[in-house]
Amino acid sequence: DTGVSQNPRHKITKRGQNVTFRCDPISEHNRLYWYRQTLGQGPEFLTYFQNEAQLEKSRLLSDRFSAERPKGSFSTLEIQRTEQGDSAMYLCASSFGTGPEAFFGQGTRLTVV
Amino acid sequence: GEDVEQSLFLSVREGDSSVINCTYTDSSSTYLYWYKQEPGAGLQLLTYIFSNMDMKQDQRLTVLLNKKDKHLSLRIADTQTGDSAIYFCAESIDSSASKIIFGSGTRLSIRP
Repeated sequence: DTGVSQNPRHKITKRGQNVTFRCDPISEHNRLYWYRQTLGQGPEFLTYFQNEAQLEKSRLLSDRFSAERPKGSFSTLEIQRTEQGDSAMYLCASSFGTGPEAFFGQGTRLTVV
Repeated sequence: GEDVEQSLFLSVREGDSSVINCTYTDSSSTYLYWYKQEPGAGLQLLTYIFSNMDMKQDQRLTVLLNKKDKHLSLRIADTQTGDSAIYFCAESIDSSASKIIFGSGTRLSIRP
């Protein structure tokens, strides 16, 4: 499968724990995006990378959230001290260059109990 | 500000055409998109249209853009049960996919 890959697909965690998600973009896609989708809503932009540089962060990305793309390939999204309000689907997408097409992965569904 | 609105539900009979409508507020939108999401799955890019185009057709899909009214529609011809999903309208305000603003989605259900 050469699409965007996200792991894990599901994560259940206790409130206050830290979680980390991984995204592997389509090979040679230099741009990578993170979105968050809550039930009944469309995805909301969180942040994006061009190669290893994080170029934009949404105000939705609080201090408890951090994203990295250390070698310009895969990316990780970490949430520290999780809260129930963090429960959502976290989607990763990638695109090539400055083209308009962004391709999404299957997402990681986070449940904070 | 940026906002994308669409109706929440649409029900059509199998074999009929489905038309999903969307309005957006940002006149500087460069690309407008339609994504499909099936239950428990990620988003599938169906099609997109550049803002200087009025229409784009791709097999059973037809996208119409009225830039003056900031109105986008997706027509699915000969709707099948496999078309049941949530359809998201979205816009990008720059010339790339760097930040896409999504609507809340229209749930399309197909009745026999």
